[in-house]
Amino acid sequence: GEDVEQSLFLSVREGDSSVINCTYTDSSSTYLYWYKQEPGAGLQLLTYIFSNMDMKQDQRLTVLLNKKDKHPSLRIADTQTGDSAIYFCAETPGGSYIPTFGRGTSLIVHP
Amino acid sequence: NAGVTQTPKFQVLKTGQSMTLQCAQDMNHEYMSWYRQDPGMGLRLIHYSVGAGITDQGEVPNGYNVSRSTTEDFPLRLLSAAPSQTSVYFCASSPTSGRDYEQFFGPGTRLTVL
Repeated sequence: GEDVEQSLFLSVREGDSSVINCTYTDSSSTYLYWYKQEPGAGLQLLTYIFSNMDMKQDQRLTVLLNKKDKHPSLRIADTQTGDSAIYFCAETPGGSYIPTFGRGTSLIVHP
Repeated sequence: NAGVTQTPKFQVLKTGQSMTLQCAQDMNHEYMSWYRQDPGMGLRLIHYSVGAGITDQGEVPNGYNVSRSTTEDFPLRLLSAAPSQTSVYFCASSPTSGRDYEQFFGPGTRLTVL
């Protein structure tokens, strides 16, 4: 099975909060990343969290990590149409720099 | 810095043709990798390299070759193109030491095999 799992789609109304969930299985994960892919472009790092942290906030973005269940989530406050993109969760196991990516969640923001 | 560059941006091949997708980075990153992205499949790792002269297979290496003669360049060769290789290909690089291992992605090459 997949090492990193994400739901494929999320639809939200402009101005609402978006919560994109992820689940990973590797117990030795060191870093958890969130990447954003806009249409026709490559992936760009949005934020990351060290696996011994519970939360990290950066402007409209909040990363929460439920360490017990290995369940990171990305919250986008006041979601805008420009936030429409594919969001990838990724993790690197301890001692490795090779990431494992989820399949990506397509976020659709409608008026 | 230009970051990670890929050429060409678009390519159409006929079945059986060969070609090389180019990737270069100017950040002196040790780690470079190639992914393919297909709808609903996310990113799948094809090949990767942890330094000049060192390459290894990823999840889906069949039909592809790579080499790493310099730190900067990591070309991906399609030996005999097949329609199943129609995809978007991304090259990425990252450091292998430091605080985190952010992957820097190129803009992608969109390949169609007829």
